[in-house]
Amino acid sequence: EAGVTQFPSHSVIEKGQTVTLRCDPISGHDNLYWYRRVMGKEIKFLLHFVKESKQDESGMPNNRFLAERTGGTYSTLKVQPAELEDSGVYFCASSQDLRLTYEQYFGPGTRLTVT
Amino acid sequence: GQSLEQPSEVTAVEGAIVQINCTYQTSGFYGLSWYQQHDGGAPTFLSYNALDGLEETGRFSSFLSRSDSYGYLLLQELQMKDSASYFCAVRDGTYKYIFGTGTRLKVLA
Repeated sequence: EAGVTQFPSHSVIEKGQTVTLRCDPISGHDNLYWYRRVMGKEIKFLLHFVKESKQDESGMPNNRFLAERTGGTYSTLKVQPAELEDSGVYFCASSQDLRLTYEQYFGPGTRLTVT
Repeated sequence: GQSLEQPSEVTAVEGAIVQINCTYQTSGFYGLSWYQQHDGGAPTFLSYNALDGLEETGRFSSFLSRSDSYGYLLLQELQMKDSASYFCAVRDGTYKYIFGTGTRLKVLA
């Protein structure tokens, strides 16, 4: 069974540019999460999808961030325009029915550097 | 606000036992998880405690005291491959996870 995959693994962009990150969850996992870790700090929750619906987007920092999950499969996270403070590692995680499980499966992350 | 506190770094020698503590302050609590992350890798699930007490999985054990808002991860018979970052995470009332800042464990030969 394939794990959670993320693309790209690294991205270096200039301030003001746009970047789109992609996450492919484990097949059959309805729940998909985006997190971000800024160097040395906590893994911070950004948002949670259940299928194609946004269940909780309380962690999204501002309206420069847009997440989508069309068709309830893969998800994209777009940052437009990027700012220096957006640099960090963006993780995606997926899980099965939350009433039955507590384990999240993480992808390897996308390291975003904004210069 | 919601927060989890854990030590930033712990160092121990091979074969030793190490305990990584986690105290939390969150609105709602369903359980406490622990994740391991090697440099450049994905965080991987280690354990989950919903009820008070000790859960043992091989060399790793995890403890929870809900009345004290406290838990710990115990690693026994340390091996070099255990060198990694360890995160505690609380599953809050909305099913999302609040993570700590991580503890970097260094295992020395």
